[in-house]
Amino acid sequence: NAGVTQTPKFQVLKTGQSMTLQCAQDMNHEYMSWYRQDPGMGLRLIHYSVGAGITDQGEVPNGYNVSRSTTEDFPLRLLSAAPSQTSVYFCAARQGPTGELFFGEGSRLTVL
Amino acid sequence: QKEVEQDPGPLSVPEGAIVSLNCTYSNSAFQYFMWYRQYSRKGPELLMYTYSSGNKEDGRFTAQVDKSSKYISLFIRDSQPSDSATYLCAPQRGGGSNYKLTFGKGTLLTVNP
Repeated sequence: NAGVTQTPKFQVLKTGQSMTLQCAQDMNHEYMSWYRQDPGMGLRLIHYSVGAGITDQGEVPNGYNVSRSTTEDFPLRLLSAAPSQTSVYFCAARQGPTGELFFGEGSRLTVL
Repeated sequence: QKEVEQDPGPLSVPEGAIVSLNCTYSNSAFQYFMWYRQYSRKGPELLMYTYSSGNKEDGRFTAQVDKSSKYISLFIRDSQPSDSATYLCAPQRGGGSNYKLTFGKGTLLTVNP
C-alpha cells in the first residue's frame, strides 16, 4: 500500500524562487496536514485540511499556501522561498478528528 | 507555557537497558495520548496510544498516563539497537476539535550493542 506519497524527496532552491511540494494519499482520508521539522523545534503544523475545498492555518503558515481540490491531493506551495524555509516537510493524513496520523517519507528542502 | 514539553535528549543506553521517555502537557482537554517513532530520514509512525489515564502494554513497550499530574511516559524493556530512533509524544483532544495536533519535540534514543 502506498499510503501517503510526497514528491520531490529532495529539492534545492534559490532565494525568491517558488515551488510546490506534492502530497497524495490513497486511503480516502478526509484530514490532511503539512508539518515542517527542524532541529530543536520538533514538528510544527503549517496548514491542514478537513476535506476537499476546506483548508485552515496551523502554527507556522506564513510563506506557504495550500489548496485541496480533491480528497487525494494536498499540495504545499512556497510563494517566494527564503533560507528560513530550509527544512524537512512532512505530509500526513488521518481518517477523522482522532486516531492515527499517517505520514509520508518527507521532502528535504534547501533554500540557498 | 507550551502545550507539550519533551526532553529532547539525546539519550544513549546499552542494549538490554530499560528506557524511560517522558512528556508533560498543560491542556486538561487532552484525552488520547500517542507515541510516534521516527527512524532516521523517515516519517513518524504510530507506536502506541492510550486513552485517558492508566497503562497500556504492547510487547516490550508500556505507555503510561497520569492525568492528575499531566505526565506521559513510554517505557521500553530489554531495549534493542533496532529501537534507536526519535520518539515523539502527541496528546490529543477528543471529538471534532482536534485538528491542530501538537507533538513534543521528540527524544533521540540510541541503543548501543
